[in-house]
Amino acid sequence: SQTIHQWPATLVQPVGSPLSLECTVEGTSNPNLYWYRQAAGRGLQLLFYSVGIGQISSEVPQNLSASRPQDRQFILSSKKLLLSDSGFYLCAWSVRQGGNQPQHFGDGTRLSIL
Amino acid sequence: SQQGEEDPQALSIQEGENATMNCSYKTSINNLQWYRQNSGRGLVHLILIRSNEREKHSGRLRVTLDTSKKSSSLLITASRAADTASYFCVPNQAGTALIFGKGTTLSVSS
Repeated sequence: SQTIHQWPATLVQPVGSPLSLECTVEGTSNPNLYWYRQAAGRGLQLLFYSVGIGQISSEVPQNLSASRPQDRQFILSSKKLLLSDSGFYLCAWSVRQGGNQPQHFGDGTRLSIL
Repeated sequence: SQQGEEDPQALSIQEGENATMNCSYKTSINNLQWYRQNSGRGLVHLILIRSNEREKHSGRLRVTLDTSKKSSSLLITASRAADTASYFCVPNQAGTALIFGKGTTLSVSS
């Protein structure tokens, strides 16, 4: 069966520090991968999605970036965090074929910026 | 891309009661998906209903879709405390990313 892992579960970082969140998927090949952010009391905001290694689409301009160095690995990064980057970050995957397939989410990383 | 508008924003019921959540959207779709999010956790996919389907069941969940009214509903029968969560509807057009709205927050008290 397929599983998705995100780490760390919680993170407290000072303003201006770098960030690296990692997500890996097991049990499937060639997945679509997604990064979302959920601010307190708000819906999910799609940040990045990827349909293959090295292929990243950005939905929202910001100081975050994403990379996909391997088929089942998706990394969210920042060189300098802002207070507004606080939130709950979720990684998800879906099968590539067919379009609009169900997405399967990790347990998220709660990021607090001080 | 479009997001669904869930209604009500919040719903409080007693265990054993049924919970109904509604969703409206604006343009034609290929399918509509419902997700659940427990507090502090990731989302869980519940049901996908295609545009040519009118009703779908999964355990205690029943989803309806009315494409003429551009609306869907999620019914949870015999609610349990464990059903306490936020529920999101996601209408999808071909080749577009999923867009999540603010959801309906369901509280089931024992």
